[in-house]
Amino acid sequence: GAVVSQHPSWVICKSGTSVKIECRSLDFQATTMFWYRQFPKQSLMLMATSNEGSKATYEQGVEKDKFLINHASLTLSTLTVTSAHPEDSSFYICSARLRGRAYNEQFFGPGTRLTVL
Amino acid sequence: AQSVAQPEDQVNVAEGNPLTVKCTYSVSGNPYLFWYVQYPNRGLQFLLKYITGDNLVKGSYGFEAEFNKSQTSFHLKKPSALVSDSALYFCASLPYSGAGSYQLTFGKGTKLSVIP
Repeated sequence: GAVVSQHPSWVICKSGTSVKIECRSLDFQATTMFWYRQFPKQSLMLMATSNEGSKATYEQGVEKDKFLINHASLTLSTLTVTSAHPEDSSFYICSARLRGRAYNEQFFGPGTRLTVL
Repeated sequence: AQSVAQPEDQVNVAEGNPLTVKCTYSVSGNPYLFWYVQYPNRGLQFLLKYITGDNLVKGSYGFEAEFNKSQTSFHLKKPSALVSDSALYFCASLPYSGAGSYQLTFGKGTKLSVIP
């Protein structure tokens, strides 16, 4: 099956620093990757959609200068949380859409737990 | 706009008993429907999907779901629950086509607790 990895799986950082999270599709090309945020005991909230080689599309209320997304290749997208603050602490999950599928199935990464002190 | 509802925040069931996790949807046209499971501090794992064809869909780990168009429901079921089934379950939909047809809409999730 299609596998999506995320790195790191967890990260602790000081307030004011920037953190980069990588999302990779390991055995397929991903036309589109998605970034979600999940608060404890809540559902996934779509933050942005990134297409390879173009700018990401951010959902309403998500600061694009705060959450920088780069989709440099068909197998890699990165989310950088800039000048992180404690309220950015959350579980970040990426997913990738498999190129060529008849329907737009997404495959999810294992998530990254970010804790900002 | 499409929406997915999971009316129960939590479902408790005794081990060995059948379990049902409810999901209803509101989507124009024919949706694609999915169930995912999430264990603590993990990403989502795919359980099953309804695309077309038989209304009863069988998936991973003995789970199944029935697509009911008249009731706009897609309830997740398992004949005999295991303690290891305890997790957070998400129902999700994709519109069949049109703008945003690549964006999943998630329900809020249902926590399943299987009691030994």
